[in-house]
Amino acid sequence: QQPVQSPQAVILREGEDAVINCSSSKALYSVHWYRQKHGEAPVFLMILLKGGEQKGHEKISASFNEKKQQSSLYLTASQLSYSGTYFCGTDGQGAQKLVFGQGTRLTINP
Amino acid sequence: KAGVTQTPRYLIKTRGQQVTLSCSPISGHRSVSWYQQTPGQGLQFLFEYFSETQRNKGNFPGRFSGRQFSNSRSEMNVSTLELGDSALYLCASSLGQSALDTQYFGPGTRLTVL
Repeated sequence: QQPVQSPQAVILREGEDAVINCSSSKALYSVHWYRQKHGEAPVFLMILLKGGEQKGHEKISASFNEKKQQSSLYLTASQLSYSGTYFCGTDGQGAQKLVFGQGTRLTINP
Repeated sequence: KAGVTQTPRYLIKTRGQQVTLSCSPISGHRSVSWYQQTPGQGLQFLFEYFSETQRNKGNFPGRFSGRQFSNSRSEMNVSTLELGDSALYLCASSLGQSALDTQYFGPGTRLTVL
């Protein structure tokens, strides 16, 4: 079942923070985050595993709440290069494939 | 290493026709997955192949089919095209068969059905 992402779209000014949420109705084993810039292929950002720690890279980090079956992606002090559509992909244990959400379009303005 | 390549990049077909899309994975990758991307729908999973075997299939009609060759290259075929099949078709390759393996996406094939 497709995870639900919120918000569907967000517009920020450079330097502002953003949070993108990903929720599933099913128990999750892992959550994957990808970013797709306009006209380009989706690119892997990070993976969070059940029982694992919060991941992060520079100013982009994510958390995984197993009990709530949701993950959140945090972008702090956003840069123009962060613009794009963010997808979460979820994996229920044993599913052996990712199911992606509908995406969140993030626009960063100067 | 070269990335995932997809051919053709753009395709225009008319209703009722059939189409074949091709995907060459990253060298050494044995898993190939196909996705349909349309505005507002995100990435809809079509199917996944590993070592020439279809391991998973999404909720698409039988008009959508695929196969994988011994060199891990994959093709997907859509028969009797409908207007609603217009979309960006992405393929992604990964090293193994685990859902935990990072997927590397190709640039996609933009299919327009008139």
